[in-house]
Amino acid sequence: QKEVEQDPGPLSVPEGAIVSLNCTYSNSAFQYFMWYRQYSRKGPELLMYTYSSGNKEDGRFTAQVDKSSKYISLFIRDSQPSDSATYLCASIETSGSRLTFGEGTQLTVNP
Amino acid sequence: DSGVTQTPKHLITATGQRVTLRCSPRSGDLSVYWYQQSLDQGLQFLIQYYNGEERAKGNILERFSAQQFPDLHSELNLSSLELGDSALYFCASSVSWTGQNYGYTFGSGTRLTVV
Repeated sequence: QKEVEQDPGPLSVPEGAIVSLNCTYSNSAFQYFMWYRQYSRKGPELLMYTYSSGNKEDGRFTAQVDKSSKYISLFIRDSQPSDSATYLCASIETSGSRLTFGEGTQLTVNP
Repeated sequence: DSGVTQTPKHLITATGQRVTLRCSPRSGDLSVYWYQQSLDQGLQFLIQYYNGEERAKGNILERFSAQQFPDLHSELNLSSLELGDSALYFCASSVSWTGQNYGYTFGSGTRLTVV
């Protein structure tokens, strides 16, 4: 079983839609959670970072972590064609340094 | 530009050969991480160095090795290359040894094609 599971999609939505991207994880030691965005096989770039459970908002993006259900979510409001990319969730253990990634969800926002 | 520099951007080589990938971390970052991304495997952690010392190891093949030099740049050596080694290889860096507080910053990758 993979430590971080993510539906690879692809996911296609119209411009302006609210997008929900989700991951589940199995490692109870994961304490730090991140979302990365990767454009066409370029280097991943950090979008959101959260520690433990809770919500974090940054502009049109909201990250949620529910440690009780081991569930990680990213919401994108008013999605734009420029949001079309692969979104990767990732986690680090409390005492670790290795960032473990999900497979990534490919998102296309259609004009 | 993320500040993490990887060279070369593209590499085409034959099976059985050896190649070296190079990474310069972002200024001030002491940790360097190497990841392999293939179409069917996602981003797989290979190895981490912190201030010149190996810190964590993932599923890195014995044919692969890495090191971090005193100026903090790192090299990933891949030998006896096989077709299945064709992938994107990413380097990332972080200021601390854990990367927990700020995540990693990734370079733009080296695309390796083994023919």
